[in-house]
Amino acid sequence: GAVVSQHPSRVICKSGTSVKIECRSLDFQATTMFWYRQFPKKSLMLMATSNEGSKATYEQGVEKDKFLINHASLTLSTLTVTSAHPEDSSFYICSARVGFHEQFFGPGTRLTVL
Amino acid sequence: QKEVEQDPGPLSVPEGAIVSLNCTYSNSAFQYFMWYRQYSRKGPELLMYTYSSGNKEDGRFTAQVDKSSKYISLFIRDSQPSDSATYLCAMTEGGGYNKLIFGAGTRLAVHP
Repeated sequence: GAVVSQHPSRVICKSGTSVKIECRSLDFQATTMFWYRQFPKKSLMLMATSNEGSKATYEQGVEKDKFLINHASLTLSTLTVTSAHPEDSSFYICSARVGFHEQFFGPGTRLTVL
Repeated sequence: QKEVEQDPGPLSVPEGAIVSLNCTYSNSAFQYFMWYRQYSRKGPELLMYTYSSGNKEDGRFTAQVDKSSKYISLFIRDSQPSDSATYLCAMTEGGGYNKLIFGAGTRLAVHP
């Protein structure tokens, strides 16, 4: 099956700093990747859709200047949380689209902002 | 009303039981239906993927879609403690890419 990796798996940072999370498709090329956020015991909330070579499409209510997404290649998308604050602490998960509708998810990144 | 409704549970069953997980939805345009399993602190894992109405079986798992009732189910036979996880239904419209709409997830605990 399609394998998606994320790095780092866990990160702790100070308030005001920026954090970059990488999402890679390991054995396939992904023209479209997605970034989700998940709060404890809650479902996934789509933040943005990342298309290779073009600007990301953000969901309503997601600050594009705070959550910078870059999809520079067919196997890598990055999410940068800029000027992180404690309320940004969450579990961030990426996925890659395979075919028209299937999505394969990465293992997630737990961000803690102190 | 949410587009996709899923009972969050928790659902606790003894090992070997048949588990039934369900989702209802309101958007009649949904054509593609998926079930994901998510272990604690991990990313979701795709279990089943079905198109339109009907059944699909894969080992101990059976997915059912009833579009007339806007109701989908996942059955797990001979449940095992390793099946303990959160199960998320997800669905999307046809006609090219549309984003996945997820249910809230049902927490399942299978006890020995």
